[in-house]
Amino acid sequence: KAGVTQTPRYLIKTRGQQVTLSCSPISGHRSVSWYQQTPGQGLQFLFEYFSETQRNKGNFPGRFSGRQFSNSRSEMNVSTLELGDSALYLCASSRPGQGSYNEQFFGPGTRLTVL
Amino acid sequence: GENVGLHLPTLSVQEGDNSIINCAYSNSASDYFIWYKQESGKGPQFIIDIRSNMDKRQGQRVTVLLNKTVKHLSLQIAATQPGDSAVYFCAETDPGTYKYIFGTGTRLKVLA
Repeated sequence: KAGVTQTPRYLIKTRGQQVTLSCSPISGHRSVSWYQQTPGQGLQFLFEYFSETQRNKGNFPGRFSGRQFSNSRSEMNVSTLELGDSALYLCASSRPGQGSYNEQFFGPGTRLTVL
Repeated sequence: GENVGLHLPTLSVQEGDNSIINCAYSNSASDYFIWYKQESGKGPQFIIDIRSNMDKRQGQRVTVLLNKTVKHLSLQIAATQPGDSAVYFCAETDPGTYKYIFGTGTRLKVLA
């Protein structure tokens, strides 16, 4: 079974630009969560999508948005990039159901550098 | 590594010794806890989980202990190997929102 895949793996952008990152979950997984990982803040939850609907949202500004498609693939978008957006963006997928007992499987991440 | 912080607490252990990594969680309502291992350049990898109705759970060379009274988790690695060198994160989940909250992480260095 293929794992979570994320594209691209590396990205360099300049301030003010926008970026779209993609995540393909494990087959059969309908929940996709996004995290931002930085040295100073650790793993910070961005949002979670389940069945094409945003189910949870973290404390990030509106420049960060996402969506999920009918095949459970998800994208996240960051508009008007700032230097502080440089981070490793991780996607995780999990099965639905069973309350919160859902193991999350992580992808390798997309390393975004904003110059 | 590219995905670890400069200020992470670090635990250095001799190869073959046992390691104990600790984590304090924040939400007394959390009912599911997971330990993840993150190697340089990779995403976090599941190690072991435990539900709040348990105090201890054992896997292969790893044991997780849960103390709900003081909101504390620990991960014990037996006979630590060089391949165990990584950053270890604990995570808790809120039963109301399904959100994962990650700890800051601990870097484990295995000395040969």
